[in-house]
Amino acid sequence: AQKITQTQPGMFVQEKEAVTLDCTYDTSDPSYGLFWYKQPSSGEMIFLIYQGSYDQQNATEGRYSLNFQKARKSANLVISASQLGDSAMYFCAMREDYPNSGGYQKVTFGTGTKLQVIP
Amino acid sequence: GAVVSQHPSRVICKSGTSVKIECRSLDFQATTMFWYRQFPKQSLMLMATSNEGSKATYEQGVEKDKFLINHASLTLSTLTVTSAHPEDSSFYICSASVRGEKLFFGSGTQLSVL
Repeated sequence: AQKITQTQPGMFVQEKEAVTLDCTYDTSDPSYGLFWYKQPSSGEMIFLIYQGSYDQQNATEGRYSLNFQKARKSANLVISASQLGDSAMYFCAMREDYPNSGGYQKVTFGTGTKLQVIP
Repeated sequence: GAVVSQHPSRVICKSGTSVKIECRSLDFQATTMFWYRQFPKQSLMLMATSNEGSKATYEQGVEKDKFLINHASLTLSTLTVTSAHPEDSSFYICSASVRGEKLFFGSGTQLSVL
């Protein structure tokens, strides 16, 4: 089974509008973290936002917010006021902790969503 | 934000040679570093996780004798692709964990094996 599922291979959004990128995850680990990254065509991975499994509040970073619904195991990214520079691939990722394995952690990525912002 | 430096950014080598890729955390100590491989227009595939001073944990299907990972210090991890072949051509990218809450990436290495 996929650990991280991003069901939208591609999305379009009008400039200045908000857009939601979907992400669901699968883990039985009580301690985990969820990330969103942006990858422009240059290939670099740009950190956007992080949500810990025990965090009570939804994470926000500027125009980015993470809609964390723990019971549904979803961690959707909301980008408000889209800009042309937001056009890129967006990856959702999950860190799983294995405390009984000497602090081993594993971070896996979803298949990504290609976002295109239309002027 | 924290900086992770990865070198080289691009390397072209002949089949059968070995290539070493370095990943350094410049302004923080990374207890855990991850190595990923990414094919064009695809997601990042985790190859291995390395903790400082201990052996790397490889993902299923990744040959540990082929992809040697060394995490000698809290700021440096290296990936050596041994006896590279054309099928090893790919984009390799490292990341470093800061207390597990943030994961910062290097700029990646495009490996082309002729």
